[in-house]
Amino acid sequence: DVKVTQSSRYLVKRTGEKVFLECVQDMDHENMFWYRQDPGLGLRLIYFSYDVKMKEKGDIPEGYSVSREKKERFSLILESASTNQTSMYLCAISRGMNQPQHFGDGTRLSIL
Amino acid sequence: QKEVEQNSGPLSVPEGAIASLNCTYSDRVSQSFFWYRQYSGKSPELIMSIYSNGDKEDGRFTAQLNKASQYVSLLIRDSQPSDSATYLCAVARSGGYNKLIFGAGTRLAVHP
Repeated sequence: DVKVTQSSRYLVKRTGEKVFLECVQDMDHENMFWYRQDPGLGLRLIYFSYDVKMKEKGDIPEGYSVSREKKERFSLILESASTNQTSMYLCAISRGMNQPQHFGDGTRLSIL
Repeated sequence: QKEVEQNSGPLSVPEGAIASLNCTYSDRVSQSFFWYRQYSGKSPELIMSIYSNGDKEDGRFTAQLNKASQYVSLLIRDSQPSDSATYLCAVARSGGYNKLIFGAGTRLAVHP
């Protein structure tokens, strides 16, 4: 079974805080992705990584950064949290080209 | 035009009936297509992958792909109340890195 672990299921933070969301995989997959999912807007890609220390912007990278220092761990960072970043955040992994993505359980983040 | 389009539903079917979910996509060179099921408050779960024109069956699920018409569908036979969920269609983007474009999802309600 594919195992993707996100550090928190629910998180509440305050505006202006620096927020870290962690994603860990045990599958040795090259590709890792961060999405946010909002009602009516669907899944939107924030950032992805195709190798250690390599990252690419997705469709909505503003206000976010990422870090991938080890193959199994991909972190999403909200530099200065704002209320419009309240959302469900989903991490996904995939093995390579034309392969499906597998998701973690998600983190429901509330910024107050 | 959205890159991946799905009818948002809800699609309501009686228990035991066939549910038919449809998806159209705009990128003619797409090679990989996936269906995910997402229960309310949960993360997407992969249920089918399809890469070639025609039908692919897995238990009660059949995925159908027609690349000429840029159309992919999911049939659920003998629908059960436990199939009630949102079904997401995903298409691999051209350009590498295995990025997926997700449709907004179709909500399926199976009533006893």
